[in-house]
Amino acid sequence: AQKVTQAQTEISVVEKEDVTLDCVYETRDTTYYLFWYKQPPSGELVFLIRRNSFDEQNEISGRYSWNFQKSTSSFNFTITASQVVDSAVYFCALSRGTDKLIFGTGTRLQVFP
Amino acid sequence: KAGVTQTPRYLIKTRGQQVTLSCSPISGHRSVSWYQQTPGQGLQFLFEYFSETQRNKGNFPGRFSGRQFSNSRSEMNVSTLELGDSALYLCASSLGLAGGLRTDTQYFGPGTRLTVL
Repeated sequence: AQKVTQAQTEISVVEKEDVTLDCVYETRDTTYYLFWYKQPPSGELVFLIRRNSFDEQNEISGRYSWNFQKSTSSFNFTITASQVVDSAVYFCALSRGTDKLIFGTGTRLQVFP
Repeated sequence: KAGVTQTPRYLIKTRGQQVTLSCSPISGHRSVSWYQQTPGQGLQFLFEYFSETQRNKGNFPGRFSGRQFSNSRSEMNVSTLELGDSALYLCASSLGLAGGLRTDTQYFGPGTRLTVL
């Protein structure tokens, strides 16, 4: 069975703090894809990153970085120097090669000024 | 490019009624997927359409149905509404690679918030 676990329900930080959102996945497939989406209060899911199981390289995009470790089945997301605009619910998702995403329960991030 | 659009944005219905939600994908995208988001169950996959055919289906009762038109626009229908159908319904579009162990990135619309009274 496939499953995505985001154990952190809610995280609160003060602006400029670094914050890491955890994502642990389960799958028996050797080929799979991992995603992070951001859901601001408006409701739309905004795509942040996609990673396939063959590529364990970490990625950095501005203040965002992602750490993919197959050995621990984790795909963690770090925001450096957080800002109020980063406040949202963040979802980690898994796909096995069809267009069906299996989502975690989400982590609500609140960044206070 | 314009993003995924969904109409209407908000709907209020009563139990027993039926409802139709609409989704227009990003230009050039041929796959449309639908998801239901509720506080209790989170984000759950409903179904996916590609080239006017349902290609994938989640675990929802037959009251939930959909279709896709030749221009890739999609509609989702829920019949005999129940209180538990109150949710945010999200549509996502992707290029739609046909088969194989590949997957596209899905881009989501703003959702339709359905309230069943």
